[in-house]
Amino acid sequence: EAQVTQNPRYLITVTGKKLTVTCSQNMNHEYMSWYRQDPGLGLRQIYYSMNVEVTDKGDVPEGYKVSRKEKRNFPLILESPSPNQTSLYFCASSEQGRGPQHFGDGTRLSIL
Amino acid sequence: SQQGEEDPQALSIQEGENATMNCSYKTSINNLQWYRQNSGRGLVHLILIRSNEREKHSGRLRVTLDTSKKSSSLLITASRAADTASYFCATDRVIQGAQKLVFGQGTRLTINP
Repeated sequence: EAQVTQNPRYLITVTGKKLTVTCSQNMNHEYMSWYRQDPGLGLRQIYYSMNVEVTDKGDVPEGYKVSRKEKRNFPLILESPSPNQTSLYFCASSEQGRGPQHFGDGTRLSIL
Repeated sequence: SQQGEEDPQALSIQEGENATMNCSYKTSINNLQWYRQNSGRGLVHLILIRSNEREKHSGRLRVTLDTSKKSSSLLITASRAADTASYFCATDRVIQGAQKLVFGQGTRLTINP
């Protein structure tokens, strides 16, 4: 079954404690991206990757890092999380950046 | 900034009625997409319409695109309770040389039994 898998689905943590949200897709897609969704602000892109070892900033990259060492994986790293990063995060993949996106089920992060 | 702007922000109708949601955008596009999001879940791609197309159908969904008015509409016919969700349009645009999708803030649709 074609899918994008994110882990964890829920996480409550404290300010400054490094965390990683994993994302994996099984569709051999070249394009992957991370979004955060906040009430009233809609879906905003954090980072995206056009292919292995190629990543670039989205609209709200501050405080986040990503890596793309393998085609299927695109982890999101918060080196020093802060409360303003409390949000619902989505990973997505597609054959190309402007085509239909396949989304994961989301990760709800709470930073206390 | 978000390019697609959905209208209305919220819509509540009776089961069996048709639901129409609109999306406006500002710059030229290659395609426009509609997505559905059930509460707290990931977005699901519904339909893509290219800039040279005017109308597209998929089951009970009908999407129109008017590039002269820079607007699109999503019609759901014979609505069902399971159609209760948020619906987003997404437009592709070039930002700093990169082709990207920009999502609107969505229309929250409630179907009352």
